[in-house]
Amino acid sequence: DSGVTQTPKHLITATGQRVTLRCSPRSGDLSVYWYQQSLDQGLQFLIQYYNGEERAKGNILERFSAQQFPDLHSELNLSSLELGDSALYFCASSVLAGGPTDTQYFGPGTRLTVL
Amino acid sequence: GDSVTQMEGPVTLSEEAFLTINCTYTATGYPSLFWYVQYPGEGLQLLLKATKADDKGSNKGFEATYRKETTSFHLEKGSVQVSDSAVYFCALSDPARDKLIFGTGTLLAVQP
Repeated sequence: DSGVTQTPKHLITATGQRVTLRCSPRSGDLSVYWYQQSLDQGLQFLIQYYNGEERAKGNILERFSAQQFPDLHSELNLSSLELGDSALYFCASSVLAGGPTDTQYFGPGTRLTVL
Repeated sequence: GDSVTQMEGPVTLSEEAFLTINCTYTATGYPSLFWYVQYPGEGLQLLLKATKADDKGSNKGFEATYRKETTSFHLEKGSVQVSDSAVYFCALSDPARDKLIFGTGTLLAVQP
């Protein structure tokens, strides 16, 4: 158990809908990262927050957005869902904002299925 | 841009066999290198890491050495067990950009 929690574990929804994925980082960690794992794209970095502020952005679609709250939990919002958004979404957390001594610890993931 | 290349799987071994999973990287800076493991139905777990050239990361019998001259970080284990069956991901983190860049993953299947 990494100490990173994600809810829900599974989510099934329809095209065009909007969903929210939630992540609670390990105690003491200030950074939260979101990754998408799909069969065709592999594991891809989406976005990073550090202490409430957006710090880095990767291959995140405009239909997706995220935020980190004062208690440091984070939510990933996915809207206007398409079939291709079906994937495993991972959250990771780390103590710092990055750097050679920082290590990301991953949650169990949320499996999103868009029908 | 930065990238990680892993050997294609699946890798099928008998119990107690020697394991090598090749990983090479391309990076403009001086990245940290990681191996993560994903057991069936679970999330990613950090297996080992190395932050500079010639560092050796080790954990649970697995080892990998950061080789700057060959831009490689091959994963090895002397004697695999059935319980090692999982997908193994090599990844790098450029200190300037922090995000992890992953390889495609290598499925290891260990047979009794």
